[in-house]
Amino acid sequence: LAKTTQPISMDSYEGQEVNITCSHNNIATNDYITWYQQFPSQGPRFIIQGYKTKVTNEVASLFIPADRKSSTLSLPRVSLSDTAVYYCLVGDSRTTDSWGKFQFGAGTQVVVTP
Amino acid sequence: NAGVTQTPKFQVLKTGQSMTLQCAQDMNHEYMSWYRQDPGMGLRLIHYSVGAGITDQGEVPNGYNVSRSTTEDFPLRLLSAAPSQTSVYFCASSRGTSGKAAGELFFGEGSRLTVL
Repeated sequence: LAKTTQPISMDSYEGQEVNITCSHNNIATNDYITWYQQFPSQGPRFIIQGYKTKVTNEVASLFIPADRKSSTLSLPRVSLSDTAVYYCLVGDSRTTDSWGKFQFGAGTQVVVTP
Repeated sequence: NAGVTQTPKFQVLKTGQSMTLQCAQDMNHEYMSWYRQDPGMGLRLIHYSVGAGITDQGEVPNGYNVSRSTTEDFPLRLLSAAPSQTSVYFCASSRGTSGKAAGELFFGEGSRLTVL
């Protein structure tokens, strides 16, 4: 299955850029990379999704190298409200048995301080 | 458009009792799934369904049953609750199981279960 590996935690100050890298060595050709944000006592929330190169939206940017074995979520100029756990998720379409078996990793706890 | 709705939000059970956590979505999503999240931990997949009448096991299926008789509903049943099942349960749905649609999961607000 397409497992992911992320740093357990990252600390930052307000106004800085935070970059979280996720490793997904077994990603299949058809699979996308999706990042989620989770606040305490809430369900995860979709942030951004990409297949290759760079994707940017109003919240974040996602950088994916040509081999697609990793991806980096970039949060520009973080604020206190960006303190949350961030997960990367990769689908697994290598076999029909694995379709839909979306397994999250441990996530990265980002703490933003003044 | 309510999205993914979970009930109840909170539940306390005694060991050995049974109950059903309800999950409903109004987005006509084919894919639905259940996760549990223990304190300070990530989400672990319990069961999932790629369409009505089709269910499959995730990482931690023991002690839980599911069924998918309609596209909208995906209930999770605890047959005989154990303290180890104390957790927060999240239901999620998406438009598909492969490609771009697959990873865009929509989550409910969670159901907090305590088993004494």
